[in-house]
Amino acid sequence: QSALTQPPSASGSPGQSVTISCTGTSSDIGGYNYVSWYQQHPGKAPKLMIYQVTKRPSGVPDRFSGSKSGNTASLTVSGLQAEDEADYYCNSHAGSNNFEFGGGTKLTVL
Amino acid sequence: QVTLKESGPMLVQSTQTLTLTCSFSGFSLNTNGVGVGWIRQPPGKALEWLALIYWDDDKRYNPSLKTRLTISKDTSKNQVVLTMANMDPVDSATYYCAHRQLRQAAFDFWGQGTLVTVSS
Repeated sequence: QSALTQPPSASGSPGQSVTISCTGTSSDIGGYNYVSWYQQHPGKAPKLMIYQVTKRPSGVPDRFSGSKSGNTASLTVSGLQAEDEADYYCNSHAGSNNFEFGGGTKLTVL
Repeated sequence: QVTLKESGPMLVQSTQTLTLTCSFSGFSLNTNGVGVGWIRQPPGKALEWLALIYWDDDKRYNPSLKTRLTISKDTSKNQVVLTMANMDPVDSATYYCAHRQLRQAAFDFWGQGTLVTVSS
């Protein structure tokens, strides 16, 4: 059982926006601005999409954005495209000796 | 460019110790702020962080697995080694190594992963 809670699934039609939540506690998400998000296509390694809550690595489309409120972080994908269909995982610093992942959300583009 | 690649046995027996090697290029573990971590993923399940080692030899372990894990680095070979003791079938997973920068606080480059199956 993962320490961070994500919805198992999310979906949207091409062009729409979808938001995936990641809920933790004051000991992880709420206590640090070190939330990151990863995209994983079937059979592939995860890819960093968002770090430090809101920052995008070079090469990640600006359709992907991150935010945080209290103990919940969110990933929003705007202008959904077929290639966005994948599993998404959140990760948070949780003290000096832990970097927790969420249970993952399967995003389906209808 | 930064690349990482995991290597190790595909099959281990229960109670044995697993040894995995992460060979990397494009960065140095002598550089201030750089780290390499290990993350695993059982088939069809979520990612789980295991361990992390920094340039200054600072080591961090998942508290729930700490007693079974050892991480080390060989900067001359550009390698990081993870050992996991007392393997069990529930430890069957794809094991990934990944680059991390202290200032970014994220795993920004990942290896392709290596599938390890534990037989009873």
